[in-house]
Amino acid sequence: DIQMTQSPSSLSASVGDSVTITCRASQGVGTYLAWYQQKPEKAPNSLIYGASSLQSGVPSRFSGGRSGTDFTLTINNLQPEDFATYYCQQYYAYPITFGGGTRLEIK
Amino acid sequence: QITLKESGPTLVKPTQTLTLTCAVSGFSLTSRGVGVDWIRQPPGKALEWLAVTYWHDAIFYNSYLKNRLTITKDTSKNQVVLTLTNMDPVDTATYYCTHRIVPSTGGTGDLDVWGQGTTVTVSS
Repeated sequence: DIQMTQSPSSLSASVGDSVTITCRASQGVGTYLAWYQQKPEKAPNSLIYGASSLQSGVPSRFSGGRSGTDFTLTINNLQPEDFATYYCQQYYAYPITFGGGTRLEIK
Repeated sequence: QITLKESGPTLVKPTQTLTLTCAVSGFSLTSRGVGVDWIRQPPGKALEWLAVTYWHDAIFYNSYLKNRLTITKDTSKNQVVLTLTNMDPVDTATYYCTHRIVPSTGGTGDLDVWGQGTTVTVSS
């Protein structure tokens, strides 16, 4: 199975800050990488697919990047509604696997 | 608008079989490229992929649970059903069904729409 390692596991930031979350795949997954946002007691919401393509309706302050097997989710100008948990996921091979999550908290 | 809604028991006893239903709307289970997955999330933990069924009847399971899982679809009812046998307290989780589209450009597609989830507790 492809292991997805996310870092950091938690992060504190203030409104207006920029943050970057990293996800490393244990083997190549091409650009078959998605990012999801999950708020407490809610279902995950798709943000990014194809490593860097924003889902419809997702604000442009979210962006995704890739360097080999390392992927990043960057959020610029943090807004109050962005404080949530973020997961990466590879859909290159079965079983589909998720990262352990990054909890973004208000400082 | 694509929607998915999970339903099923909230409490099951150890060793029992769990049956969950995902009712879908806004798309057809037989449309080319369509897949419906089941994902679960134990309390306070990360997401875990369970299985997927595709428009052309291909099915894939998480090998870790393969012997206990069955996914089926009923196209006449627009439903996808997941069964998980021999339930154990470690199977306590929120179970989600999701929609995906396999793109013509390659890959298997991301999980673009999620149901609200249904919480299942395993306890005697």
